[in-house]
Amino acid sequence: DVKVTQSSRYLVKRTGEKVFLECVQDMDHENMFWYRQDPGLGLRLIYFSYDVKMKEKGDIPEGYSVSREKKERFSLILESASTNQTSMYLCASEHPRTGFGYTFGSGTRLTVV
Amino acid sequence: QQQVKQSPQSLIVQKGGISIINCAYENTAFDYFPWYQQFPGKGPALLIAIRPDVSEKKEGRFTISFNKSAKQFSLHIMDSQPGDSATYFCAASMVGGSARQLTFGSGTQLTVLP
Repeated sequence: DVKVTQSSRYLVKRTGEKVFLECVQDMDHENMFWYRQDPGLGLRLIYFSYDVKMKEKGDIPEGYSVSREKKERFSLILESASTNQTSMYLCASEHPRTGFGYTFGSGTRLTVV
Repeated sequence: QQQVKQSPQSLIVQKGGISIINCAYENTAFDYFPWYQQFPGKGPALLIAIRPDVSEKKEGRFTISFNKSAKQFSLHIMDSQPGDSATYFCAASMVGGSARQLTFGSGTQLTVLP
């Protein structure tokens, strides 16, 4: 069974901290994505990566960065966490030639206090 | 800028009834329209999807209806069951940058009463 694993289910961080959210997929997928999910806003794309060391901004990249040193791992970095970054973060991966089906992880609920 | 508008925000249906969720889009470059189902504590999972050259697609109790001229599409769940209670997201896909990106609607919380 294919899997996207997010390292933490729940995370509480203080304002100003540097936060790392980790995502690992075991499907050898080229494309990986980070979304945040907020009530009433759906899922919004933060960043995506289509290859190792390659990244592109999504719709809401401000305050975030990403790292993809290995094909299976895609990290989301909050350089200086703020309370408005309290959210559910979802990682997804996709094989670019299998028909647009994303496989999502179970999410990380981040609270910034 | 919300490119995919979804309604209603919440929906309560009796067991055996029909659940209908509607979405509208603006960008005519979208060329693939999936629906995702999300249970509490889980990530969204692909439920069913349609391309704009087809007006309807059915998989079991789930049907997508697509109206290209109106730029609208909808999900119909026939004979709704309590196990269908979940959040449903419509989405639209287009090639952007170096990978296909999904733009999601705001979600519909479906509750099916026993």
